[in-house]
Amino acid sequence: QQQVKQSPQSLIVQKGGISIINCAYENTAFDYFPWYQQFPGKGPALLIAIRPDVSEKKEGRFTISFNKSAKQFSLHIMDSQPGDSATYFCAAPRASLGGGTSYGKLTFGQGTILTVHP
Amino acid sequence: DTEVTQTPKHLVMGMTNKKSLKCEQHMGHRAMYWYKQKAKKPPELMFVYSYEKLSINESVPSRFSPECPNSSLLNLHLHALQPEDSALYLCASSQVGTAKETQYFGPGTRLLVL
Repeated sequence: QQQVKQSPQSLIVQKGGISIINCAYENTAFDYFPWYQQFPGKGPALLIAIRPDVSEKKEGRFTISFNKSAKQFSLHIMDSQPGDSATYFCAAPRASLGGGTSYGKLTFGQGTILTVHP
Repeated sequence: DTEVTQTPKHLVMGMTNKKSLKCEQHMGHRAMYWYKQKAKKPPELMFVYSYEKLSINESVPSRFSPECPNSSLLNLHLHALQPEDSALYLCASSQVGTAKETQYFGPGTRLLVL
């Protein structure tokens, strides 16, 4: 079963605070976990991604923490800024075969609307 | 250039109309996707093209008809849509390879069916 459960649905943080968004997955076949950021009126854009052979990945103010045994991963946004206000989706792609080739069929979490107050 | 462009940005159509959405990328990607996104929901995969051939149809109603005329273009033809089809339609592209290829999304076409 492909399913990714994301929480919270919405999050309000003060400028400079830490934003934490959590995701849990069921399918142990998932082997790559991207986070997408979507601003109003825009398409989702890849923010950061992690593979399950590492427990943490950091890019600037954004960090993914991964707990393979618990089948959970989370996004931490340090020093949150008003410009970080957006909807965040965790995702897990599963390789599939179609026409003899492989591609990423993304399963998205339900999304978290982050609002950072100045 | 990591841009996926989509036209039009907005579209209003009646239930008897025929219209088309267009998507273009020049990143050399050979996998292209159509997603549907309702308000405050995640994108839902509709179709996947790989090397200009339809690889996946996620049981989408036949009133949606995709077309991939060449490696840079992807169309979605719309006919006899229902009001519940109103949504943001997103196009994406990626390299064909492993499941870890990044998908690049366009800004979407916001569709309203009256």
